[in-house]
Amino acid sequence: AQSVTQPDIHITVSEGASLELRCNYSYGATPYLFWYVQSPGQGLQLLLKYFSGDTLVQGIKGFEAEFKRSQSSFNLRKPSVHWSDAAEYFCAVGAGSGNTPLVFGKGTRLSVIA
Amino acid sequence: KAGVTQTPRYLIKTRGQQVTLSCSPISGHRSVSWYQQTPGQGLQFLFEYFSETQRNKGNFPGRFSGRQFSNSRSEMNVSTLELGDSALYLCASSTQGSGELFFGEGSRLTVL
Repeated sequence: AQSVTQPDIHITVSEGASLELRCNYSYGATPYLFWYVQSPGQGLQLLLKYFSGDTLVQGIKGFEAEFKRSQSSFNLRKPSVHWSDAAEYFCAVGAGSGNTPLVFGKGTRLSVIA
Repeated sequence: KAGVTQTPRYLIKTRGQQVTLSCSPISGHRSVSWYQQTPGQGLQFLFEYFSETQRNKGNFPGRFSGRQFSNSRSEMNVSTLELGDSALYLCASSTQGSGELFFGEGSRLTVL
């Protein structure tokens, strides 16, 4: 069964600093990988996804993520964080067939300080 | 295109009552999934419906049930509510085979 680990429960960064959120997954085949963001009291919004091909994927709001098969990782990055990026971030893995549910990590809460 | 719509957004119930939550997917999406989100357990998969058939089910007791209608709208029901059922219930829709979920804003259930 697939699983996702987000090692960092809470991260605080200064506005304008770079950001990297870690995600490690466990899955026996080529996974479908996703990053979602959730603002307080809201649903989840898709930031980016990896299905196949180029291992560096670009998403919305200036985010990118790199798939590293050898490390079973799919880390999310942003070169310069804005105060509006403060939210909870979830990594998810799926089987790709569309017939099995996405499994989510526990999330990383991002705080941004001035 | 309208997004996923969930109603009600907030509700308060007491132990032993039952509750029904509704979800209208994005037009053209035939798959609807439900997740329970709590601070301790995170996002946990409840069930998925496709073309009115339950295709997958998570590890929840039988008090949790759902259904999907011919127009792809879905409902989930929780009977005999317990305090631990307090959570944000998220509905998501997707197209067949895409693997990508589009989420609604959720229904926040508080059980007293």
